[in-house]
Amino acid sequence: AIWMTQSPSLLSASTGDRVTISCRMSQGISSYLAWYQQKPGKAPELLIYAASTLQSGVPSRFSGSGSGTDFTLTISCLQSEDFATYYCQQYYSFPRTFGQGTKLEIK
Amino acid sequence: EVQLVESGGGLVQPGGSLRLSCAASGFTFSSYSMNWVRQAPGKGLEWVSYISSSSSTIYYADSVKGRFTISRDNAKNSLYLQMNSLRAEDTAVYYCARDRGDYIWETFDYWGQGTLVTVSS
Repeated sequence: AIWMTQSPSLLSASTGDRVTISCRMSQGISSYLAWYQQKPGKAPELLIYAASTLQSGVPSRFSGSGSGTDFTLTISCLQSEDFATYYCQQYYSFPRTFGQGTKLEIK
Repeated sequence: EVQLVESGGGLVQPGGSLRLSCAASGFTFSSYSMNWVRQAPGKGLEWVSYISSSSSTIYYADSVKGRFTISRDNAKNSLYLQMNSLRAEDTAVYYCARDRGDYIWETFDYWGQGTLVTVSS
């Protein structure tokens, strides 16, 4: 299985800040990486796939980059609705695996 | 509008069985691969199982292999997960999730609201 190290696990920030979340793979996965947002009591929502392609309807303040083993999710100007938990996920091989999650909280 | 609605969760004793269902609507169900993903209380996400559009390709997580069986009925637009020999560590919200296409190098674009499975005596 491909192991994923997502960091940080907790991120404190303020509205308007720019934040980045990282995801590192135990082996190369080309660009087969997705990012999800999950709010309490809700199902995850797809933000980005293929490492950098924005899912339809997702605000442009979200962006993704990277390939191979190192990936980044950036939120350029935090809005109140962005405070949530974020997960990276690889779909290069089975078992599909998720990062441990990053909880983005209000500072 | 794509909709995925899970049902069948509940309280079951260790060693027991449960069958989850996912009713799909708003898209051509038979053209998409489907998955089950679970989340234990207060924990992260764990992929459980995958089935291709024609049921020809199926994968399971090691943690459920030999105990869970995924299946689908394209005529009924429905996905299923038969869970046997349930353990306390199977306690989780189970989500039905659609792949973006019918290709193993795809990811989940739509999710249901989830159904809670609690394994406890």
